[in-house]
Amino acid sequence: DIVMTQSPDSLAVSLGERATINCKSSQSVLYSSKNYLAWYQQKPGQPPKLLIYWASTRESGVPDRFSGSGSGTDFTLTISSLQAEDVAVYYCQQYYSTPPMYTFGQGTKLEIK
Amino acid sequence: EVQLVESGGGLVKPGGSLRLSCAASGFTFSDYNMNWVRQAPGKGLEWVSSISSSGTYIYYADSLKGRFTISRDNAKNSLYLQMNSLRVEDTAVYYCASSWTGNNWFDPWGQGTLVTVSS
Repeated sequence: DIVMTQSPDSLAVSLGERATINCKSSQSVLYSSKNYLAWYQQKPGQPPKLLIYWASTRESGVPDRFSGSGSGTDFTLTISSLQAEDVAVYYCQQYYSTPPMYTFGQGTKLEIK
Repeated sequence: EVQLVESGGGLVKPGGSLRLSCAASGFTFSDYNMNWVRQAPGKGLEWVSSISSSGTYIYYADSLKGRFTISRDNAKNSLYLQMNSLRVEDTAVYYCASSWTGNNWFDPWGQGTLVTVSS
C-alpha cells in the first residue's frame, strides 16, 4: 500500500500569515503527467470537504488563498493568508493505486497562534 | 442540490452485525462510483470500500478481512455497507462519498453515521 505521511501533525499560524502543510507518499503518484493527489479540509463535526485535486487544481468555490503544489512523492498545501475560518484538520489522499487502495495522510491540525 | 445521507448507525455488541445505507439525490447516481470512508473518534480518515458505478467492481481495505460487504441499488439511488463480526475497533463515523472513474477523489461526502461497537 502507498503510505501517506503529513508534516507537521499540528501547526499554529497567526492570522494573515502563511500556512504550509506537507505530504509525502511512499511511492510516486505521478502517472501520465498527472499527480493522483487530493487535499481535504475537515472542520469539527463536519465531513471532509474537497479542496484540491490533481495536486494543484482548486475545487470550484475554494478560495484562491488555498493552493497545492508538488509532484511525484512530495506535495504541499499552502494557505497564503490564514483566516479564522481556516481552522481545521487537513488531509492529503492518494487515488493512484490500482486496484483501488486509497490512503490518507494522518492529518494536520491547523490552529490560530 | 447534490446530497448524500447515511443512516443505519447505532450501538451494537462485539460480534454483531449492522447494515448502513446511503441515500443519494441531486445527481445521476448510476454514473458515479461510490465509497465508504470511516473515522474513529478523534482519529484520521480510513478508506473502507469502493464500488463501481454499475456495481461490477468492488474493492475493500485489507484490514477488513472479508467482514464487510458493499453493494448498491441504482434503481433506488442507494449505497449499502453490510458489516458483520463487528469489533470494538470498528467504532467510527462512517461516511459515504462519490467519485468518478479516473478522477477518484471523493466529493461530495455525506454527514456520516456513527457506529459504536461496545458490550
